[in-house]
Amino acid sequence: DSGVTQTPKHLITATGQRVTLRCSPRSGDLSVYWYQQSLDQGLQFLIQYYNGEERAKGNILERFSAQQFPDLHSELNLSSLELGDSALYFCASSAGTSGADTQYFGPGTRLTVL
Amino acid sequence: AQSVTQLDSHVSVSEGTPVLLRCNYSSSYSPSLFWYVQHPNKGLQLLLKYTSAATLVKGINGFEAEFKKSETSFHLTKPSAHMSDAAEYFCVVSDRFGGYQKVTFGTGTKLQVIP
Repeated sequence: DSGVTQTPKHLITATGQRVTLRCSPRSGDLSVYWYQQSLDQGLQFLIQYYNGEERAKGNILERFSAQQFPDLHSELNLSSLELGDSALYFCASSAGTSGADTQYFGPGTRLTVL
Repeated sequence: AQSVTQLDSHVSVSEGTPVLLRCNYSSSYSPSLFWYVQHPNKGLQLLLKYTSAATLVKGINGFEAEFKKSETSFHLTKPSAHMSDAAEYFCVVSDRFGGYQKVTFGTGTKLQVIP
């Protein structure tokens, strides 16, 4: 158990809909990262937050957004969903922003768009 | 620029034989390097990490990796494969750029262990 929790575990929805994925980092960790893992794209970094502020953006679509709240939990919002958004979405947390910080991964949310 | 290349997408070994998963990296600075393992339908678990201390790093489950700066490599090895080692392995390079941690994942190597 990494100490990172993600809800829900599974999500099934229809095209055009909007969903919210939630992540709680390990106790004491200030950085949260979101990743998308799909069969064709592999593991893609989406976005990073540190202590409530956006720090880095990866391959995140404009239809996707995220935020980190004062209690440090984070939410990833996916809107106007398309079939291709079906994937496993991981959240990870780390202590800070050092290159040596270990990222601890949650169990993931499996999103299926029908 | 930062990049990581996992040289094999699939590796197949017999149970009890050595495992070698290859990783080469590129980074402008002094990176930290990690290996993660992902079992089917599970999250990623840290196996080991290198952060500029000893170049030979020991991890969990009998895995180890050696940082070779001259070869820009960080290959993962295990003397004797176990059936439970069948999983996907990711090599990761990490460094700090402009106040944030930049992390790049390799494309993964799927390890098959044959009984």
